[in-house]
Amino acid sequence: SQQGEEDPQALSIQEGENATMNCSYKTSINNLQWYRQNSGRGLVHLILIRSNEREKHSGRLRVTLDTSKKSSSLLITASRAADTASYFCATVAKNSGGSNYKLTFGKGTLLTVNP
Amino acid sequence: NAGVTQTPKFRVLKTGQSMTLLCAQDMNHEYMYWYRQDPGMGLRLIHYSVGEGTTAKGEVPDGYNVSRLKKQNFLLGLESAAPSQTSVYFCASSPFGQGMFSYEQYFGPGTRLTVT
Repeated sequence: SQQGEEDPQALSIQEGENATMNCSYKTSINNLQWYRQNSGRGLVHLILIRSNEREKHSGRLRVTLDTSKKSSSLLITASRAADTASYFCATVAKNSGGSNYKLTFGKGTLLTVNP
Repeated sequence: NAGVTQTPKFRVLKTGQSMTLLCAQDMNHEYMYWYRQDPGMGLRLIHYSVGEGTTAKGEVPDGYNVSRLKKQNFLLGLESAAPSQTSVYFCASSPFGQGMFSYEQYFGPGTRLTVT
C-alpha cells in the first residue's frame, strides 16, 4: 500500500472558504513534501517540511506535521478559484534496504473551488 | 530561465516502436528523475540520475532505459513500446543536498504518450 495517502480524495468548497487536506504515512520519514498539479500540467512544489519541524507557512498555505500520528495536513486559507487543482503529498523515507532514501507520492486530493 | 522542459509534448506509438523522450534543465541541478503518472495512482519513479554519467533504477524501470551524457539532459528511451506504457511522463530535477530527496523537485510539463 502507499506510504503516503491523502484524505479526502476529492473536496469541493466555495471561494473564500478554507480547504484542509490530510496525508497519512506508515514509516518514519526524513521529510514530507506537498505539490500542486493543475489539470494537464506538471507538478509544482508548495512546501517541504522536515521531520524535526512541526509547522511551516507560505502565503495562504500552512502545513503541519505530527510524527507521532504519522500525519500531515495542508491548509489553504481564503481559497480562490485558481486554487482548483490536485494536491499531492510525497514522503521521503529510507528504502527497505536502509541504504537510500525513497520518495513516494500519494494519489492526491482533487480540490475544486467554486466561484 | 526555462526551468525543466520536455519534448515532445504528445506522441502516439504503435506497439513495438521505439522512441526517446528528452528532458532538459537549466538550473544546474545534480539530480534528475523520470516519473510516470497513471489515472488513480501517484507518480511512480522509473529511473533517476545523481549526476552526469550516472543512472539508476527506480520503482518501475522495466521496459525503459535512460542516459545522462550531459548534466543538463536526461533521456528516457522506450526500445519496444507496449500498450502498458501508455501514460503521462514527467521529468524532474533537484539540487544537490544531503541525499537525493532532501530538497524540492522541479517538474517539467509532461509528455502524454499513447501506445496502440
